[in-house]
Amino acid sequence: AQSVTQLDSHVSVSEGTPVLLRCNYSSSYSPSLFWYVQHPNKGLQLLLKYTSAATLVKGINGFEAEFKKSETSFHLTKPSAHMSDAAEYFCALPRGGKLQFGAGTQVVVTP
Amino acid sequence: DGGITQSPKYLFRKEGQNVTLSCEQNLNHDAMYWYRQDPGQGLRLIYYSQIVNDFQKGDIAEGYSVSREKKESFPLTVTSAQKNPTAFYLCASTSGIHEQFFGPGTRLTVL
Repeated sequence: AQSVTQLDSHVSVSEGTPVLLRCNYSSSYSPSLFWYVQHPNKGLQLLLKYTSAATLVKGINGFEAEFKKSETSFHLTKPSAHMSDAAEYFCALPRGGKLQFGAGTQVVVTP
Repeated sequence: DGGITQSPKYLFRKEGQNVTLSCEQNLNHDAMYWYRQDPGQGLRLIYYSQIVNDFQKGDIAEGYSVSREKKESFPLTVTSAQKNPTAFYLCASTSGIHEQFFGPGTRLTVL
């Protein structure tokens, strides 16, 4: 069965320091994978997507993610956190015409 | 501008009443989805439709109903049978094999 697991429910970082959000997946083939961001009381916005092309994917707002098949991971990173990055982040995997979402990671950015 | 609109943004309902949440898209997408979001529980799929005049139950369909009479519209009715309807509701659409695009959400509160 296909699934995604986000390894951290909460991440707290200081402004200007790196951000790492971890996502592992389970799939019998090389999947597409997505990262979404959700600010409070808003809809989800696509940050980036992996679709079997380059394994290092660059997204919006300085985020990037690396697809590692050997580790079944698709971790999201940003070199320097900004206050506006405080939000909830979801990793997602297509499954039978639907999306399988991870449980989400809440990011807190402190000044 | 292409996108997904949801209305209203905030909705209040008395116990025992049915309410209908609107979702419209002008992206020419075939598939549309309804999710429910509760604090700390991520996104849960209520119903989805991959083509006009057809829809399928998601993981938590009990107490909800939908229709898909037009490609652009996928309204969700929260019935009085839904025991705990207070939540944030998100609508999404996709062209099929790519990422889902989300609306801004409707927050429903039962008084």
